[in-house]
This record gives sequence, structure tokens and C-alpha cells, in this order.
Amino acid sequence: DAGVIQSPRHEVTEMGQEVTLRCKPISGHDYLFWYRQTMMRGLELLIYFNNNVPIDDSGMPEDRFSAKMPNASFSTLKIQPSEPRDSAVYFCASSFETGFSGEQYFGPGTRLTVT
Amino acid sequence: GIQVEQSPPDLILQEGANSTLRCNFSDSVNNLQWFHQNPWGQLINLFYIPSGTKQNGRLSATTVATERYSLLYISSSQTTDSGVYFCAVPSWWETSGSRLTFGEGTQLTVNP
Repeated sequence: DAGVIQSPRHEVTEMGQEVTLRCKPISGHDYLFWYRQTMMRGLELLIYFNNNVPIDDSGMPEDRFSAKMPNASFSTLKIQPSEPRDSAVYFCASSFETGFSGEQYFGPGTRLTVT
Repeated sequence: GIQVEQSPPDLILQEGANSTLRCNFSDSVNNLQWFHQNPWGQLINLFYIPSGTKQNGRLSATTVATERYSLLYISSSQTTDSGVYFCAVPSWWETSGSRLTFGEGTQLTVNP
């Protein structure tokens, strides 16, 4: 398996623009997680899905952030409008069956810079 | 929620040296993962080790769940081992539900 796939790997955008990050989980995994990593706050869980259904979005910073999982092999994280404080590395991860008790596999991340 | 503490925060080694990284957690867990974040930012799974000992090449890990700690051993370190090592455990937070809690990491630098 190719592992968790994320795109783009790098994104530079101007404040106010819409940003869409994409993730393809490992085939057969039914949990998908979106994380954000910054120097100040470390790794934070933003939202996670089970069988394509959002389970916990309490980590989503504000209404400018939204995430969808239209099918088992694709998820998006959208920021609209983007702000400089959104600059971070965004990771997608997936796991099989037991979610937080199962082993999570991370994608390579998307480094987002908002100027 | 659970507290996860890693030590040391920073470690500098000469190539070929051995090292031990520690992860303490404040509550019982049924899962613990070790990750290596390389200088390019990628998070690489090292071990999924709720208890016992596992080995993978020059790396091994031991989790003593009853005493709430895990150790990561790196033997004959190489410059490619440089990066940040994280441990992570699942936990339940009253305000935000179930999630994977990460330690703050150990920054390892291996010099040639």
C-alpha cells in the first residue's frame, strides 16, 4: 500500500484566499484524522471521521475550517478565508477499526503558508 | 486528560553511540505509539507497543504499562536518526472526547 497520501505537499497563499487540503487514507482503514502541527501548540487533533461520518470536530479552530469525507478513500480540509495564523503543517492520518486504540499512520503532511 | 512527558527534551550524540528515550504517562493506556519526525517533517511510525518489548533493527521499545512508562532504545546511532521522537497515547478528555495525546518530543541530533 502507498500509505496515506496528501496533496499538495506545500501551499503558499495570500490572506483571504480559500485553501483546500486533500487526503487519501490507507485502503481498508475506516478512521481518518486531521491534525495540525505548530511550534507553539504541537500536534493538535482537528477532526476525525469513522466510516466517512464526522465524529468529533471539537478541535476545529473556528467556522473558517470545514472538513468532508464524501467516500472512504477521500477527505478534504478547507479553510475559507485563510489567515496568517493558519500557517502550519497539516497532517492526515488513518487507522483500522478501533480508532484511537488502533495504530495511526500519518501522511507526509501539507505545509501551509498564509501571507 | 492524560499527561504525557518525554525526556530528555534534547539529546546530542556522536554517530555510533547508544541512547534511551523515555515516555511517562499519567494514566493507564491500552495503546502507545512511538513516532520519528525526520528533518523533512514526515511522521514515521516506529512502534505500536501497548506493552512488552519490540525490536526493529537498531531500534527497540519497551512499555511497562503497570508502571506507566515506555522506553525507546536507539543503538549504534546514525545521522539519519536525527529528528524529533514522539510518543503518543489515546486518552479521554472531558471537554473534547477521545483523542491521541502526544508528548512534547525528544529532539535528537546525531553528529558524524
